[in-house]
Amino acid sequence: DVKVTQSSRYLVKRTGEKVFLECVQDMDHENMFWYRQDPGLGLRLIYFSYDVKMKEKGDIPEGYSVSREKKERFSLILESASTNQTSMYLCASSLLHGGETQYFGPGTRLLVL
Amino acid sequence: DAKTTQPTSMDCAEGRAANLPCNHSTISGNEYVYWYRQIHSQGPQYIIHGLKNNETNEMASLIITEDRKSSTLILPHATLRDTAVYYCIVRVSGANSKLTFGKGITLSVRP
Repeated sequence: DVKVTQSSRYLVKRTGEKVFLECVQDMDHENMFWYRQDPGLGLRLIYFSYDVKMKEKGDIPEGYSVSREKKERFSLILESASTNQTSMYLCASSLLHGGETQYFGPGTRLLVL
Repeated sequence: DAKTTQPTSMDCAEGRAANLPCNHSTISGNEYVYWYRQIHSQGPQYIIHGLKNNETNEMASLIITEDRKSSTLILPHATLRDTAVYYCIVRVSGANSKLTFGKGITLSVRP
């Protein structure tokens, strides 16, 4: 079974802090994705990566950056957390060809105070 | 990507078939229909996808109309654990594809 793990299920941070969300997949997938999910807005794509050191902006990249130094790991960085970044963050991975069949992690619920 | 329309919610009795509809009247010839679901407090889970033929796997069946303008996801014997939000997504298959999740349909399975 594909396994996508995220470093934390719940996280509480203060405004202005730098926040790192880590995601690891164990199926040698090329594609990795970061989404956020908010009530009434559904899932929105923040960034994705189709190879090591490659990244592409999604629909809402502002306020975020990403890092993909190794194939299995994709990190989402909030340079200076703000209260409007309080959300559920979901990581996913997929094969390069067949990117619609994505495997999701359990999510990290981030609260920024 | 073609837009999809799903009812907001539906319910069904445990052990009965759950038929979840989806309209995608603007679908183009090279777009697939994908279904995902999201159980409360978990990440979305891939269920099934198809192009024009009906598809079945261990989780569900997907029935696509001949004109491909609508489809139905069938859970043949719904259980309480099938209570979730189900998303119908239409997408061209290819590399570096991103998924656009709408609001989905909330299925409640009652005992």
